[in-house]
Amino acid sequence: GENVEQHPSTLSVQEGDSAVIKCTYSDSASNYFPWYKQELGKRPQLIIDIRSNVGEKKDQRIAVTLNKTAKHFSLHITETQPEDSAVYFCAARPTSGTYKYIFGTGTRLKVLA
Amino acid sequence: SQTIHQWPATLVQPVGSPLSLECTVEGTSNPNLYWYRQAAGRGLQLLFYSVGIGQISSEVPQNLSASRPQDRQFILSSKKLLLSDSGFYLCALRDRVAGTGELFFGEGSRLTVL
Repeated sequence: GENVEQHPSTLSVQEGDSAVIKCTYSDSASNYFPWYKQELGKRPQLIIDIRSNVGEKKDQRIAVTLNKTAKHFSLHITETQPEDSAVYFCAARPTSGTYKYIFGTGTRLKVLA
Repeated sequence: SQTIHQWPATLVQPVGSPLSLECTVEGTSNPNLYWYRQAAGRGLQLLFYSVGIGQISSEVPQNLSASRPQDRQFILSSKKLLLSDSGFYLCALRDRVAGTGELFFGEGSRLTVL
């Protein structure tokens, strides 16, 4: 079945440094790749997404890249701030005629002041 | 804009007791609806999704069930809870009208089975 692997499971960076989280997906027909941020005890919220016809997308300090051939996509956060500390989830949406979203296992990011 | 209401927000249930979690949606119609479970420190596991009234797809065979009696209502149930059912249950919707692909999550229901 469909699967999304996410690495690393935890990541600590110094404030101001960059953070990179990587995901791979199994279904080559997947066409939509969102990233969600979940603060402690709260619901996940979309921070950025990318579709399969685009290789890169940026939104201020956040960027996502997609390599369809290798079936992997990455989240890049530059100039990290303490408020970036949270759990980040990647997801993929297979296009097998269904509408389910498969999530990665999450990355706990800690930004050290 | 879309709004998702989930209740109860927290509950503690004994093993073997029944469960009913409710999710209602406002601000859109005919959404795709989803139930996800998040165990402590773990990822988001898709349990059920629905593309319309009475249409339920199950992703994980277990003692849970879901129903969609109305367009904007999604219910997660169990006849007998297990310890392993403890977790954070999130209802989510995809707004077909907006067509963005984004999943919107509710505030979640935290279940502890003792």
